[in-house]
Amino acid sequence: EPEVTQTPSHQVTQMGQEVILRCVPISNHLYFYWYRQILGQKVEFLVSFYNNEISEKSEIFDDQFSVERPDGSNFTLKIRSTKLEDSAMYFCASSSPQGMPQETQYFGPGTRLLVL
Amino acid sequence: QKEVEQNSGPLSVPEGAIASLNCTYSDRGSQSFFWYRQYSGKSPELIMFIYSNGDKEDGRFTAQLNKASQYVSLLIRDSQPSDSATYLCAVNMMTGAGSYQLTFGKGTKLSVIP
Repeated sequence: EPEVTQTPSHQVTQMGQEVILRCVPISNHLYFYWYRQILGQKVEFLVSFYNNEISEKSEIFDDQFSVERPDGSNFTLKIRSTKLEDSAMYFCASSSPQGMPQETQYFGPGTRLLVL
Repeated sequence: QKEVEQNSGPLSVPEGAIASLNCTYSDRGSQSFFWYRQYSGKSPELIMFIYSNGDKEDGRFTAQLNKASQYVSLLIRDSQPSDSATYLCAVNMMTGAGSYQLTFGKGTKLSVIP
């Protein structure tokens, strides 16, 4: 069964450093997403991406964040200058082989980011 | 602020019993509703989705939707210790820009006691 994959599984970085989190969505899906979950808190939407552009972003997704689909398979989240409060689990998700934004989202295993 | 509310629990049920998980949402225009299961330190795993009012059954799981009351529930029959996890209710809400955003509740922690 196709699944969303993410690398790395764990990332430790120093405050102020740039990190890139990588995702390979399910191959026939058209919508891609990033979410984060701070330890003990709820899953929070960051950004959605469709047709090679951002379709929606939350208040969390400020100028320090960017997303990119550099080729036909990868989808990346870049945090330009990490802060302590960026420490969280980051989940990639994909959906919509039919191109409908309401469709089920399937989540990758996550990247645990720790900013020191 | 568009919200999804769940009782955080913990909800404890004996093995073999029915577990009932509830969720309310604020956006009356929401069209798709999801239940995910999340084990500690893992990613959300889809259990069920429901789009229409009424009940939808899949094995031991039944999702119920009442759009008039803005209420979604999940019943787990014959609960097993392996069902012990946090159950996340998620609602696809339309944004001001006409797109959709999946909004999660905080989750209900279920513990099935052998």
